[in-house]
Amino acid sequence: EIVLTQSPGTLSLSPGERATLSCRASQSVSSSYLAWYQQKPGQAPRLVIYGASSRATGIPDRFSGSGSGTDFTLTISRLEPEDFAVYYCQQYGSSPQTFGQGTKLEIK
Amino acid sequence: EVQLLESGGGLVQPGGSLRLSCAASGFTFSSYAMSWVRQAPGKGLEWVSGISGGGGGTYYADSVKGRFTISRDNSKNTLYLQMNSLRAEDTALYYCAKTQGSSVYYSSDSWGQGTLVTVSS
Repeated sequence: EIVLTQSPGTLSLSPGERATLSCRASQSVSSSYLAWYQQKPGQAPRLVIYGASSRATGIPDRFSGSGSGTDFTLTISRLEPEDFAVYYCQQYGSSPQTFGQGTKLEIK
Repeated sequence: EVQLLESGGGLVQPGGSLRLSCAASGFTFSSYAMSWVRQAPGKGLEWVSGISGGGGGTYYADSVKGRFTISRDNSKNTLYLQMNSLRAEDTALYYCAKTQGSSVYYSSDSWGQGTLVTVSS
């Protein structure tokens, strides 16, 4: 099983700042089958990035994903108030699929 | 518009069984793999199980293997999760999710609102 470790656990930033979230895998993720999801309180997760770097439908271009192998990054270039949420990475290239433990992005 | 509506959750005693359903609409159901993902209260996401579009491939987390069975009825556009030998640690909100392709090796681009399963005596 591939273990995903996200850092930091909590990130406190202000609107307009840049956010950098990390996801590290215990072994290489096949073909960059790495996704990022956003989850707000009381809501279902929402796909943000798939294939490590492709934005999902309707996701603004301030969101970008990068990385390969075992190290992946989600960057939000200029934080908007609606971006504050919990973000999870997921690898879907091998079974069982696994999620990271999440990074909470909170308003400073 | 893709819609996923889960049902079948509830309170069950340890060792009991439940069957979850997910009614899908707004897309060609048989063309897409589906997954179940759960979230314990106040915790993160845990992938539980996935099934290919045709139903021939099924996959499970180690934590539920041998106890849970995923299935689908493409004529009814419905996904199922049969849960047996339930434990307290299975208590969670169970989400149904649609993947982006016919195999399970795709990310999930649409999610239901979840159905709550509580295992307690």
